Amino acid sequence: QKEVEQDPGPLSVPEGAIVSLNCTYSNSAFQYFMWYRQYSRKGPELLMYTYSSGNKEDGRFTAQVDKSSKYISLFIRDSQPSDSATYLCAMISSTSGTYKYIFGTGTRLKVLA
Amino acid sequence: DSGVTQTPKHLITATGQRVTLRCSPRSGDLSVYWYQQSLDQGLQFLIQYYNGEERAKGNILERFSAQQFPDLHSELNLSSLELGDSALYFCASSARDRNTGELFFGEGSRLTVL
Repeated sequence: QKEVEQDPGPLSVPEGAIVSLNCTYSNSAFQYFMWYRQYSRKGPELLMYTYSSGNKEDGRFTAQVDKSSKYISLFIRDSQPSDSATYLCAMISSTSGTYKYIFGTGTRLKVLA
Repeated sequence: DSGVTQTPKHLITATGQRVTLRCSPRSGDLSVYWYQQSLDQGLQFLIQYYNGEERAKGNILERFSAQQFPDLHSELNLSSLELGDSALYFCASSARDRNTGELFFGEGSRLTVL
């Protein structure tokens, strides 16, 4: 079983839709949670960063963490064609001074105009 | 532009060959990470260097090796290449060793092994 599970998609939605992207994880040592966005032929770039359980909002994007269920989500409101990309969840665990930075496999999103 | 530079952008080679991928981190960043990205495995952590020293190792094959030089650039060496090594190889950098924040990624080196 992978430490981080993410549905690879692809996910196609019409412009203006609300998009929900999710990851589950098995390691309770994960403390920091992130979402990266990766456009085609580019490297990933950080979109959202959260530490504690709960919601964090930034414009059209909301990141949600539920540590008790080991589940994180990214919501995109009023989705735009420019949001078409692969979204990767990422998590960091700290064990005995070693920091492990793990990525999900990514979900491909296509927003149709 | 993340400030991380990777060369070459594309590389086509044959099985059994050896290649070297190069990464220059963002100015001031001391940590360099190497990741392999394939369609079915996603972004897999290979190895991390901090200020010239190896800090963490992931799923890096024995045929692969890396180093970070005094000027902080890093090289990933892939030898005895197999078809399955075809992938995108990303380098990322951060300021700190024990990083709990953002990684800055380059645009990747696409390796095709024929």
